Formats: sequence, C-alpha cells, structure tokens
Amino acid sequence: GAGVSQSPRYKVAKRGQDVALRCDPISGHVSLFWYQQALGQGPEFLTYFQNEAQLDKSGLPSDRFFAERPEGSVSTLKIQRTQQEDSAVYLCASSLGPLGGTDTQYFGPGTRLTVL
Amino acid sequence: AQSVTQLDSQVPVFEEAPVELRCNYSSSVSVYLFWYVQYPNQGLQLLLKYLSGSTLVKGINGFEAEFNKSQTSFHLRKPSVHISDTAEYFCAVSDGGSYIPTFGRGTSLIVHP
Repeated sequence: GAGVSQSPRYKVAKRGQDVALRCDPISGHVSLFWYQQALGQGPEFLTYFQNEAQLDKSGLPSDRFFAERPEGSVSTLKIQRTQQEDSAVYLCASSLGPLGGTDTQYFGPGTRLTVL
Repeated sequence: AQSVTQLDSQVPVFEEAPVELRCNYSSSVSVYLFWYVQYPNQGLQLLLKYLSGSTLVKGINGFEAEFNKSQTSFHLRKPSVHISDTAEYFCAVSDGGSYIPTFGRGTSLIVHP
C-alpha cells in the first residue's frame, strides 16, 4: 500500500499564527514518531505515539507544540503562536510494532514550515 | 545521551569510484546503529541497520557498513557509486532499549560524471 503521507507539503505562516500538520502513517502501524529537522541538521525527536497513547513528548520544544493521534492512525502536530525559530521540516515516521527501537521506521516526505 | 558525529558535511566523488562516509558515536554499552538516505524533497529511507551479530552489515543499493565497537564507528561504504547515489546520508544511533534515535548532521554525497 501507500507509504507515509504528510500534508501540507509546504506551509508559510505569519509569526503568531497557529498551524496544524497532518500525518497519515502506513495502515496498521502501531508506532508513530514526529521529528523536527532544521536546515542543515539531522532530524530531532519530538514525540512518540503507540496507537492513540502519547508515550513520550520529551522532545517537544515548548508548550506551544501539541500532538495528538485520537484514533490510533492519523496524527496531527499543532504549533500555536508560531515563532521564526519554528521554521523547519517536520517529519513523521511510523513503524509496525510498539516501541520501535529496532523496527524500521518509514518516513514521510515532511512538511516544510516557514514562519515569516 | 548519545551523540553522533558525521565529520564530513560534503563528499564529492566521481562516478564508479569507491566512497566511505564516516560516522562516530559516543560510547555506550549497547547500541543500535542506522544509516538513512534522503533524496531531495523526499523522506528518509533506511539503507541498513546494525542490531547485533555480524559487524559487517549489508544494505540496499550496494551499500554496506561496519560496526567497530573499539573505535565507536559505523562507517558506510560503497565500492562503486552511481550518479543516482547523490543524496544526503544520515547516521543514527539509539541506546539499546531506547526507541529514540539520535541523528548526525548528515553528509551530502555528490557524485560527478
């Protein structure tokens, strides 16, 4: 079937606006990860879901960042009152099993967020 | 916490030449090691991973990597590169038992004709 998809692919926001980024994981995948990739850097972990449960949100940079996965499939990353330092590519990845330390993570193409 | 160092930000090479992309990580008792490739405007794709066992790991597209515990390295190699291998390559490490990988900054492989 299809891989991980993300929408929108590109988002431009004015500073202070709220944004919502969507991730559609591979069907049946239990684990879902969000990463932030700044320009010229590797991805950095934001948060992890096992089905609908958010088990780890230690990487979220501030309380302006919020993620949910209410039915254990589609996930949304919301950023409130965006700041210029939030400009980055936001990557979503899913893996088949729980606690995917050894499972292969399948990445989406990312959403490039630019905050003006 | 783990740290990952990819010393080379860019590696230019001619087509059909061999290439090595270097990756070093901070020491830990047990680690899982990964190499990912990212083509322009695409997500990361797993090339290979080391979990345990043989220290020489073979991956897709003719790539291989060798885990060297004493040197805390996991260098990626290919004996003969193609133009299509031009991409960004990321090394990632997670402590055994952790599901959170730490990524390096990436190495841009540029293959010239």
